[in-house]
Amino acid sequence: QQQVKQSPQSLIVQKGGISIINCAYENTAFDYFPWYQQFPGKGPALLIAIRPDVSEKKEGRFTISFNKSAKQFSLHIMDSQPGDSATYFCAASINTNAGKSTFGDGTTLTVKP
Amino acid sequence: GAGVSQSPRYKVAKRGQDVALRCDPISGHVSLFWYQQALGQGPEFLTYFQNEAQLDKSGLPSDRFFAERPEGSVSTLKIQRTQQEDSAVYLCASSSGRHGYTFGSGTRLTVV
Repeated sequence: QQQVKQSPQSLIVQKGGISIINCAYENTAFDYFPWYQQFPGKGPALLIAIRPDVSEKKEGRFTISFNKSAKQFSLHIMDSQPGDSATYFCAASINTNAGKSTFGDGTTLTVKP
Repeated sequence: GAGVSQSPRYKVAKRGQDVALRCDPISGHVSLFWYQQALGQGPEFLTYFQNEAQLDKSGLPSDRFFAERPEGSVSTLKIQRTQQEDSAVYLCASSSGRHGYTFGSGTRLTVV
């Protein structure tokens, strides 16, 4: 049973455009929702995270939107740049204190110049 | 150290061989995790340590997989009698407990 479903599998965006990646979860006990960015040959790197007591969090060009009732959250990358081309993973955990995370299957983002 | 260090970066093992993968977490990080990442997929949880205590090993796929962190810092993931299905990238992550993980670059294991 996949607890975190991520879409789309791949995404192509023009430079300057908005990239949107969506995730849906099933377990209502999840209380910490991070997004990770992974480049080839590297481990995932924490990008931004949100807890369910807020509906939106913004850090620079990256924004998480969170819909608790729909059990969905999304990553928006504004003014997408070629350097943003990477694989993005959403995740969810039950314990905000670094409990084990369940990851989505990833979205490969390509930003065309 | 400044980041999570994993060694070796690449390991080729013959089927049936035992392997040991090492993880040096960020100094002072209490929590340490091992994940397995198959090609084109997200990381899958294997096991979790808090200091030297292994609090969760529910993700270890079989009794051929064993992890330890005897002094609460460096951790080793051991795979006995490797099989082809063990081929994957093994990621180690550490956390101070207040934020998300810091991952290492992983060990790519290929079983031939």
